[in-house]
This record gives sequence, structure tokens and C-alpha cells, in this order.
Amino acid sequence: QSVLTQPPSVSGAPGQRVTISCTGSSSNIGAGHDVHWYQQLPGTAPKLLIYGNNNRPSGVSDRFSGSKPGTSASLAISGLQAEDEADYYCQSYDSTLRGCVFGGGTKLTVL
Amino acid sequence: QITLKESGPTLVKATQTLTLTCTFSGFSLSTSGVGVGWVRLAPGKALEWLTLIYWDDDKRYSPSLKSRLTITRDTSKNQAVLRLTNMDPVDTATYYCAHTHVDLWPTPLFDYWGQGTLVTVSS
Repeated sequence: QSVLTQPPSVSGAPGQRVTISCTGSSSNIGAGHDVHWYQQLPGTAPKLLIYGNNNRPSGVSDRFSGSKPGTSASLAISGLQAEDEADYYCQSYDSTLRGCVFGGGTKLTVL
Repeated sequence: QITLKESGPTLVKATQTLTLTCTFSGFSLSTSGVGVGWVRLAPGKALEWLTLIYWDDDKRYSPSLKSRLTITRDTSKNQAVLRLTNMDPVDTATYYCAHTHVDLWPTPLFDYWGQGTLVTVSS
């Protein structure tokens, strides 16, 4: 059971927009700790996709965006492409656990 | 250019101790602000943060594994070493090491990752 809750799966057709939620609690996201998002393509290492809730590292497409309203966060992917098919994880920090925490991961399927 | 690479046994027996080495380049674990963390991905499971060591030798551990985990660094060799005792088949996973820096963001994040190494635990 992960500390941060994500939907196990989402899907969308090419060109569509999908969102992935990440729900936390008062000891992590609700405590003001920011959220980062990682993309893990099959058979590869995770890649930092969004940091600090809504910032993209250099080289990441602007089709990816993040937000953090309250005790939850959200990743949006617009203009879906087949290459976006991957697992997506949110990550934050938990004050009670005094360590990093990941979400349970969301598998994105492009129909 | 920052790179990291994990190395160690691919197969361990239950009750044994796992030792994995992360060898990196492009940064030093003695430079202020730098950190190296370990994350694992078990088959069919989610990413799980294990431990983190900083330039000042500050160490953080996942509470659920703290009693079994040790992280150390060798700054002369540019390495971070993870030890996990009393291995069990449920510890079968791909283990990743990753770079972080306190200045990247107030909430710790990992911006460069190793390719990962699969460790299988036999009973």
C-alpha cells in the first residue's frame, strides 16, 4: 500500500488529453511538500518528468504539465502519442516517515 | 555529464546479505548539497524509496526497512554502497541508484538515474 494514491491505469486515444491524480495526506502533500513526477518506459529507468509540482526539466515536452491543488497533485498529458505509453509515478516527502514516498504508479495505455 | 551505474550480485539466497555498489561520475559525494539515493521496483509493484546519503554523511532510511538497511559512501572511489540484510524472495526487484541535490528543490527529487540491476532472491 503506497503512501500516495494513484489510479492503477488510465487510457486515451492518440491526440486526447488524460490526467493522473496523486492523493496524499496532511503529512506529505497536505503538509506543503511538493510533488515530482517520473515516467518509466518499459524496461528503462525512471525519468524525471515534472518537478516542484509544475516545472519541466529541460528537454521534456510541454505536452506534460502538473498541478497541485491542496492535498493532491495531478499530471496532465495532452496530445497523447503512442510513445507516451508508460508507467507514471508521483513522489513527495513525508514528514512523519521522514523520507521520500512514491505513489503506486499509473499505467498509461494509448488506445 | 552525470552517470550512475549499479553493480552487484544478480542472485542471492534467502537470509543472505545483499551488497550493491553505485559507481558514479560527473559529481562528487563530498560536494556540498549532493546526495545519492536507492530506489527499487519489484515485479508488478510500484517504485519504493529505500535510502539516501548526503555529502555530509547524513543518512535517511525507509522506516519499513530501516532495521535491515545500511548505506555508506566512498568518496575516493565515487561510490555509494547499499547493504540489505536478511534477504527474502519479496526483495526480488530491480534496484536503482539516483542522484539528488538539495538545491534542486526543497522536496528531495532524483534527476539522474542508473540503469538498474535486477536482483533475484531464491528460497
